[in-house]
Amino acid sequence: NAGVTQTPKFRILKIGQSMTLQCTQDMNHNYMYWYRQDPGMGLKLIYYSVGAGITDKGEVPNGYNVSRSTTEDFPLRLELAAPSQTSVYFCASAARLVASSTDTQYFGPGTRLTVL
Amino acid sequence: GQQVMQIPQYQHVQEGEDFTTYCNSSTTLSNIQWYKQRPGGHPVFLIQLVKSGEVKKQKRLTFQFGEAKKNSSLHITATQTTDVGTYFCAGRTRHNNNDMRFGAGTRLTVKP
Repeated sequence: NAGVTQTPKFRILKIGQSMTLQCTQDMNHNYMYWYRQDPGMGLKLIYYSVGAGITDKGEVPNGYNVSRSTTEDFPLRLELAAPSQTSVYFCASAARLVASSTDTQYFGPGTRLTVL
Repeated sequence: GQQVMQIPQYQHVQEGEDFTTYCNSSTTLSNIQWYKQRPGGHPVFLIQLVKSGEVKKQKRLTFQFGEAKKNSSLHITATQTTDVGTYFCAGRTRHNNNDMRFGAGTRLTVKP
């Protein structure tokens, strides 16, 4: 049981390039999330998914896209990378009942992205 | 929009001293969670508070949720070097149960 895995661990992009950050969980969790964490700051929600085939925007979705074709995978796509997207990106998953707000989010180790 | 403020930003204590971090929301929360992040690591869930006035304890850690469900605190008694890290609160509102807003965190350092 690996929990939440993210690849790559580190990446440097040039302005205008695109890339996909991978996230996989093996806990059969229905909810998955993408956050970004800027230096000295808390986490900001980019996108989330309540189950396969369903995604929704969080607080800071601009410049990103997601898909959720399977329960396990939740990739984050950056198109036309910009310096403002330099950050640490965390993926998380949680098992949540539809009618309840109770959940424990399990975070992956993060991807450190630099855009130059 | 909803904002979650956390103070202090930094706290440096001598080992054995107590530590408290405070979290305030601009809107009423349906629940609040606390996370710990070690330097270079990822956030790790500590606890969730749901009820107004709720108090929960985990060994030397005491968590409180305010009566109005707009503020919360984490208190650590007799800090140890293993307590080093950044402590984040994160809250959800009834209006959007899926959108969790994090505070900026309190970074705790402990001098042995």
